[in-house]
Amino acid sequence: NAGVTQTPKFQVLKTGQSMTLQCAQDMNHNSMYWYRQDPGMGLRLIYYSASEGTTDKGEVPNGYNVSRLNKREFSLRLESAAPSQTSVYFCASSDWAYNEQFFGPGTRLTVL
Amino acid sequence: KNEVEQSPQNLTAQEGEFITINCSYSVGISALHWLQQHPGGGIVSLFMLSSGKKKHGRLIATINIQEKHSSLHITASHPRDSAVYICAVVGGATNKLIFGTGTLLAVQP
Repeated sequence: NAGVTQTPKFQVLKTGQSMTLQCAQDMNHNSMYWYRQDPGMGLRLIYYSASEGTTDKGEVPNGYNVSRLNKREFSLRLESAAPSQTSVYFCASSDWAYNEQFFGPGTRLTVL
Repeated sequence: KNEVEQSPQNLTAQEGEFITINCSYSVGISALHWLQQHPGGGIVSLFMLSSGKKKHGRLIATINIQEKHSSLHITASHPRDSAVYICAVVGGATNKLIFGTGTLLAVQP
């Protein structure tokens, strides 16, 4: 089992460009999450999906959109990237809401 | 003031020492997580607990709901334990995960 996979691992964007971060899990988990991690601030929840077909805003949703494509996949889209979105992005999943979290390897995004 | 506070922020220990990392929170919670982030960046879940104590190998996690405090203990520490340890609670006004900023542990041989 691959667990939680994320693509890409690294990305550099120019201000105003758009991109989608992909996440997939093969553990048949119901809940999936997107976090960002910034130096000195810890992990912060961007969006959350309790189950297929549902999404909910987290602590820092502005500038992002998500799609729970099916039970396996949860994507994060930046419509118009800004330098403030430079961060490391982690996807995670759990069997039920906020149970033990399984994290992907992260995506390091730089917005110039 | 952050809803989840960890102490110390940085910790250096000698191999073999007993280590304690503390987590205090100011909101009502339904559960608390301890996570480990390796130097390469990967994050793994160590414990999820809502009461009492859990043990896994050399790691022990305790929680005191009344005092709103949890501790993570590492016995017989080893250089491979060097990592950032993160406390997170499920709770607060939105009943979502709230993370501490982490404790950076360095275990020297």
